[in-house]
Amino acid sequence: GQQLNQSPQSMFIQEGEDVSMNCTSSSIFNTWLWYKQEPGEGPVLLIALYKAGELTSNGRLTAQFGITRKDSFLNISASIPSDVGIYFCAGPSSARQLTFGSGTQLTVLP
Amino acid sequence: NAGVTQTPKFQVLKTGQSMTLQCAQDMNHEYMSWYRQDPGMGLRLIHYSVGAGITDQGEVPNGYNVSRSTTEDFPLRLLSAAPSQTSVYFCASSYTGFTGGYTFGSGTRLTVV
Repeated sequence: GQQLNQSPQSMFIQEGEDVSMNCTSSSIFNTWLWYKQEPGEGPVLLIALYKAGELTSNGRLTAQFGITRKDSFLNISASIPSDVGIYFCAGPSSARQLTFGSGTQLTVLP
Repeated sequence: NAGVTQTPKFQVLKTGQSMTLQCAQDMNHEYMSWYRQDPGMGLRLIHYSVGAGITDQGEVPNGYNVSRSTTEDFPLRLLSAAPSQTSVYFCASSYTGFTGGYTFGSGTRLTVV
């Protein structure tokens, strides 16, 4: 099946710092989704991207759909303690299936 | 509005036992899926359904069965539990298919001993 490579695997940052993470695919996607998962909960959709080059924000979060359509990026500005969690990228592996990356574990230090 | 409800939240099974993980949604979503989450591997699709009476296999279907007799419910059955099925299981639903993003339940943590 299609592979989504997400990096970095984990990040430890100071409160107030900016965060960047990315996701690459072995094939072209026409949709990119970014999810956040907090401990003991299911993933929650943060941002959806539908067009190459698209840049979309949700508060302090900004995500971009790469021009090559094989990658996507998520940035978090001025991190706060509640940003802690696992961030997943996801994209369609077929007409009916969604493939997830392995996740980026974010820890925010006070 | 309950969203996606999964029961139980925790379960311990012995090898060879069978059980059913329940999933119900009250949003009238046609699309429903089951994922399993293992450390460092993200979420992997087990089975999915695009409407009542229609199911199909995902990436890791072996050892699991599903049925979709109503729009609301999508139970996942483990036929003969194995330690390799120790995982966290998530049910998800969507109105427009995956491109609109799924709503996930809070998960069932299953341990097979």
